[in-house]
Amino acid sequence: DAGVIQSPRHEVTEMGQEVTLRCKPISGHDYLFWYRQTMMRGLELLIYFNNNVPIDDSGMPEDRFSAKMPNASFSTLKIQPSEPRDSAVYFCASSSTGAAANYEQYFGPGTRLTVT
Amino acid sequence: GQNIDQPTEMTATEGAIVQINCTYQTSGFNGLFWYQQHAGEAPTFLSYNVLDGLEEKGRFSSFLSRSKGYSYLLLKELQMKDSASYLCAVRGANAGKSTFGDGTTLTVKP
Repeated sequence: DAGVIQSPRHEVTEMGQEVTLRCKPISGHDYLFWYRQTMMRGLELLIYFNNNVPIDDSGMPEDRFSAKMPNASFSTLKIQPSEPRDSAVYFCASSSTGAAANYEQYFGPGTRLTVT
Repeated sequence: GQNIDQPTEMTATEGAIVQINCTYQTSGFNGLFWYQQHAGEAPTFLSYNVLDGLEEKGRFSSFLSRSKGYSYLLLKELQMKDSASYLCAVRGANAGKSTFGDGTTLTVKP
């Protein structure tokens, strides 16, 4: 398997612009997570889905952030409008609840977002 | 809620043994994970404990005491490539998600 795929790997945008981050989870995984990581705040869970349904979005900073999972193989995280304080590395991760699984999470390579 | 504590930084010498501790307070417990994260890369899964005791996997071992809310990751025969951040994560009552600690940055020196 190719692992979790994220795009783009790097994004530089100006304040006020819309940013869309994309994620393809590992095939067969039924959980998908979006995290944000900064030096100051560490790894923060933004939102997670189970079987394409959002379960907990309490970590989403504010209404400027939204996430969707239209099918089992694709999810997006959108920031509109973006602000400099949104600059961070955004990770997507997936996990499985299959019989042999322990719910460990497999992370994508991340998207490094810089908002100027 | 959940509270996870780990030391911020540790330094050790190549070839030595180092123990990274993690204490947690959770509402419900369904397992504890250790992840390794090299600078500029994504976290990768190292180990999982759900029952008390020691789990050994090559040079790495992880221990859990549920009654004490305590775990440690033991790294033996340290190599320079072990320099990384080590994240403790707890799966609480909500089995689907894990809460991550802030990580321990380990520096291995020659």
